[in-house]
Amino acid sequence: NAGVTQTPKFQVLKTGQSMTLQCAQDMNHNSMYWYRQDPGMGLRLIYYSASEGTTDKGEVPNGYNVSRLNKREFSLRLESAAPSQTSVYFCASSETGIGGYTFGSGTRLTVV
Amino acid sequence: SQQGEEDPQALSIQEGENATMNCSYKTSINNLQWYRQNSGRGLVHLILIRSNEREKHSGRLRVTLDTSKKSSSLLITASRAADTASYFCATVATNAGNNRKLIWGLGTSLAVNP
Repeated sequence: NAGVTQTPKFQVLKTGQSMTLQCAQDMNHNSMYWYRQDPGMGLRLIYYSASEGTTDKGEVPNGYNVSRLNKREFSLRLESAAPSQTSVYFCASSETGIGGYTFGSGTRLTVV
Repeated sequence: SQQGEEDPQALSIQEGENATMNCSYKTSINNLQWYRQNSGRGLVHLILIRSNEREKHSGRLRVTLDTSKKSSSLLITASRAADTASYFCATVATNAGNNRKLIWGLGTSLAVNP
């Protein structure tokens, strides 16, 4: 099925460990996004890539890095995980950035 | 930063009733979008309404936009248990330029009781 694929779906990390969340879309969309969703906080933008070759910080970029590997793939890296990064992470893509977004099914990350 | 504010935060209705959710925002917009999120799932795009549109329909969904009041409403008619979800509004600012990203509200949690 066409859409946004995120891996892994679940992950438990120890404080200080690193990991990369993978995201791939097959809709030839230009823009890709990483969000975190916490209870009562709504969706908060971590980083986004308006087009291949560009990345920009969102609202809450500290502790994260991203790579737009190609037009299809946009990865999110946690270099040294902290308990405050326990959250559900969503990747999304959009053809133009102002139209509808397509979301992945999310990664539930727990940092202990 | 959150721009949209949904109202109410939570809504509980009986199957067959209509559900109305409201969204207010702060800046001039290019468009406003509504999304649904079922528990434990990703968000699904429902409908987009442009700033020069006042009303839009999609199946049982009706969205209105009042740019003078900076507000929108989502009406779900003849609700079903399967409509139980959180609903979010999101806006794209008029002056987004190359910073094309959505500004999200905190959502309305809808429970439709059988």
